[in-house]
Amino acid sequence: DAKTTQPPSMDCAEGRAANLPCNHSTISGNEYVYWYRQIHSQGPQYIIHGLKNNETNEMASLIITEDRKSSTLILPHATLRDTAVYYCIVRVGVLALPWYSGGGADGLTFGKGTHLIIQP
Amino acid sequence: DVKVTQSSRYLVKRTGEKVFLECVQDMDHENMFWYRQDPGLGLRLIYFSYDVKMKEKGDIPEGYSVSREKKERFSLILESASTNQTSMYLCASSSVETQYFGPGTRLLVL
Repeated sequence: DAKTTQPPSMDCAEGRAANLPCNHSTISGNEYVYWYRQIHSQGPQYIIHGLKNNETNEMASLIITEDRKSSTLILPHATLRDTAVYYCIVRVGVLALPWYSGGGADGLTFGKGTHLIIQP
Repeated sequence: DVKVTQSSRYLVKRTGEKVFLECVQDMDHENMFWYRQDPGLGLRLIYFSYDVKMKEKGDIPEGYSVSREKKERFSLILESASTNQTSMYLCASSSVETQYFGPGTRLLVL
């Protein structure tokens, strides 16, 4: 899986849009960009993923550059409950391929992520 | 709504005890995973299962075993708990493209 680079921490004012960047310059053509977040002492929570088009769901928007070497996660109206560590992961998206037959697990690998702090 | 539940949020056990951690998903997913998460080491895959009664070792299976008797349930077993198994344990299940995590079990082995 391609490596990702994220800033270690960011602040954002409550009610404003939080824009979290991620660099993935070695991304391959069949690799998706995934975003997860982890609130302290809880399990990771899936946010959004995309291949090359921009994506939006009820939680966030994902903007992927045309060359796919970087992306931005946007939380449009940040609240205090959005304070968490946000992980950008790049990987092949189809988990149901016979990845298990030759050994080598297909688990997720989380880097250090960005600690987003929403300020009141 | 996607739901993965784990049997306990917090657990305290003694060295040498047998420990069972249970995970249940209600999404009819075939793939399920057990991870542990430790400060500075990130998320590490212990075991995963791609079907009932099927299991595969992840990166750190030593000291653990698993059981998948029903599609919705994936159990992690510590045969003889040791202090270095004190950790946050996370279960996940996945659709074709995405993994969904449970709330985690924080295990302390004394």
